[in-house]
Amino acid sequence: AQKVTQAQTEISVVEKEDVTLDCVYETRDTTYYLFWYKQPPSGELVFLIRRNSFDEQNEISGRYSWNFQKSTSSFNFTITASQVVDSAVYFCALNPFSGGYNKLIFGAGTRLAVHP
Amino acid sequence: DAGVTQSPTHLIKTRGQQVTLRCSPKSGHDTVSWYQQALGQGPQFIFQYYEEEERQRGNFPDRFSGHQFPNYSSELNVNALLLGDSALYLCASSFRPGFNQPQHFGDGTRLSIL
Repeated sequence: AQKVTQAQTEISVVEKEDVTLDCVYETRDTTYYLFWYKQPPSGELVFLIRRNSFDEQNEISGRYSWNFQKSTSSFNFTITASQVVDSAVYFCALNPFSGGYNKLIFGAGTRLAVHP
Repeated sequence: DAGVTQSPTHLIKTRGQQVTLRCSPKSGHDTVSWYQQALGQGPQFIFQYYEEEERQRGNFPDRFSGHQFPNYSSELNVNALLLGDSALYLCASSFRPGFNQPQHFGDGTRLSIL
């Protein structure tokens, strides 16, 4: 089965707190891509990061960092020093090679609320 | 550089009606995918069009159909609307349909069925 699980439905933090969004995926493929998208209230899915299955290096981009661990099939996303503008729904997605074409499998999303 | 544009923004229909949603891909993109996002859930893949043909389809009934035009724009048609079809419909475009091509999403069309 190809599946993405985001166990945290909602997270509420106070500004400047660090927050980690969890993502666990299932796939039999050895070749795949993992993604994180941000969805603000406007509805558009904003691309944050793409990682292929052969690259387990962690990545940092400003306040954002991603931890990819194939051993636990996890691709977690951390926001450091959160800001109110980070409030949105965040989706983790899987694109397995066996799917052939570009077919993203999304998790149910985590709604992040950052309060001033 | 125009991104992915979708129309209309909102739409209200009644059960049994038919609806057509439209999508123009990002400049330079030739592949369009459609996703359905029910309230509180992640998007689900409906189908993908490339070279004016449906290349891949998700687990959606035949009531959902599509079309791609020579200018790469696309339409999603849904017949015999059900209450459960109420959702945000997202269009995504990419350059070529390969699985390693990043997809860019539009703002979506919010469809409400009464």
